[in-house]
Amino acid sequence: GAVVSQHPSWVICKSGTSVKIECRSLDFQATTMFWYRQFPKQSLMLMATSNEGSKATYEQGVEKDKFLINHASLTLSTLTVTSAHPEDSSFYICSAGGTSGRSDEQYFGPGTRLTVT
Amino acid sequence: GENVEQHPSTLSVQEGDSAVIKCTYSDSASNYFPWYKQELGKRPQLIIDIRSNVGEKKDQRIAVTLNKTAKHFSLHITETQPEDSAVYFCAAGSSNTGKLIFGQGTTLQVKP
Repeated sequence: GAVVSQHPSWVICKSGTSVKIECRSLDFQATTMFWYRQFPKQSLMLMATSNEGSKATYEQGVEKDKFLINHASLTLSTLTVTSAHPEDSSFYICSAGGTSGRSDEQYFGPGTRLTVT
Repeated sequence: GENVEQHPSTLSVQEGDSAVIKCTYSDSASNYFPWYKQELGKRPQLIIDIRSNVGEKKDQRIAVTLNKTAKHFSLHITETQPEDSAVYFCAAGSSNTGKLIFGQGTTLQVKP
């Protein structure tokens, strides 16, 4: 149980274009989902917290107009990188909040490797 | 803001030896402390976690200790094996927000 998927697993796009990444909880309903960015050989940096049916809460320094997050259902959250630039190239990982009554556990997706050329 | 410091950044041990990774956190509201193992290009895998109502937890070769007063927690791996080689992350979270703040990571190399 508690399986989280991401799509696509990798994507290459040109500068100036937008890319959408999907995060799905396959066998449970996730009220809260989190989006992280991880640069090579670095840690996971929390970008935003996404709650179903409400606006995402962004961490300090993360541009909400550039990284659009939508959490329209209890099983799907999307991250759209708008007007992508090469410095946005990174590994993007989502996670979904706990299901067994423990609000602190997170289940991670497999990540999406974004390369902006 | 919230911060988690993790040491060492790299750790090399001989197979069979023990490995210890230490973390400190700043947010006194943190009450959940998971440890993750991440292999290159893959998702973090939860290997053990501890909550603030206990001081120690063990699962076979892996143990975690927590000192809430000092805001320290540590991961102990005994009888290390080459397949333990990976990057390990500690994190601190709060059941109020559900957010996790990650440490910088430790690259563990176990030499056969």
